[in-house]
Amino acid sequence: NAGVMQNPRHLVRRRGQEARLRCSPMKGHSHVYWYRQLPEEGLKFMVYLQKENIIDESGMPKERFSAEFPKEGPSILRIQQVVRGDSAAYFCASSSSDLSPLHFGNGTRLTVT
Amino acid sequence: EDQVTQSPEALRLQEGESSSLNCSYTVSGLRGLFWYRQDPGKGPEFLFTLYSAGEEKEKERLKATLTKKESFLHITAPKPEDSATYLCAVQAESGGSYIPTFGRGTSLIVHP
Repeated sequence: NAGVMQNPRHLVRRRGQEARLRCSPMKGHSHVYWYRQLPEEGLKFMVYLQKENIIDESGMPKERFSAEFPKEGPSILRIQQVVRGDSAAYFCASSSSDLSPLHFGNGTRLTVT
Repeated sequence: EDQVTQSPEALRLQEGESSSLNCSYTVSGLRGLFWYRQDPGKGPEFLFTLYSAGEEKEKERLKATLTKKESFLHITAPKPEDSATYLCAVQAESGGSYIPTFGRGTSLIVHP
């Protein structure tokens, strides 16, 4: 299966810990997007990256959140000093160009206790 | 203010009872409208892309149409396995990028 791979599927962190979410895009895709999904809010855009570049981070909180997509390896969404409000499903998607449809992974469900 | 509004929020159908889901949008300069299906605990699965008013796409029991203000996802003779949340997303130029904006979805349940 050459789809978008996210890990871990489930992640439990205590308040104040760090969460690292990983995403490997589909083969041949160089555009990566991160979205957060809450039951009452739907899918909300966080950040859009290409290899070694952040293209648009307008949806990402200014503090505690960061993202990278290095030349080699998966894209990482990092949340420092997690709080209970960070509990959500985080989805990664990839595409072959900025006008192509996005293909999603199955998400990482973060629970902050 | 929501740029993408989906209705109804939830829909219950009997097997074989055809219906339509609506996605209305207010963005200007639409580059594409996407439909996705999402099952519980899974990521959205891509269904269709529509680019211009009047365009239609079909896949099995699903047909998507597009006007200048909205899109419809028509479901003909649905089966229980069509039960899922259906999401639409619009893609328009904003600040030099084309980030898809999603609606909140329509939760569809098809009873046998």
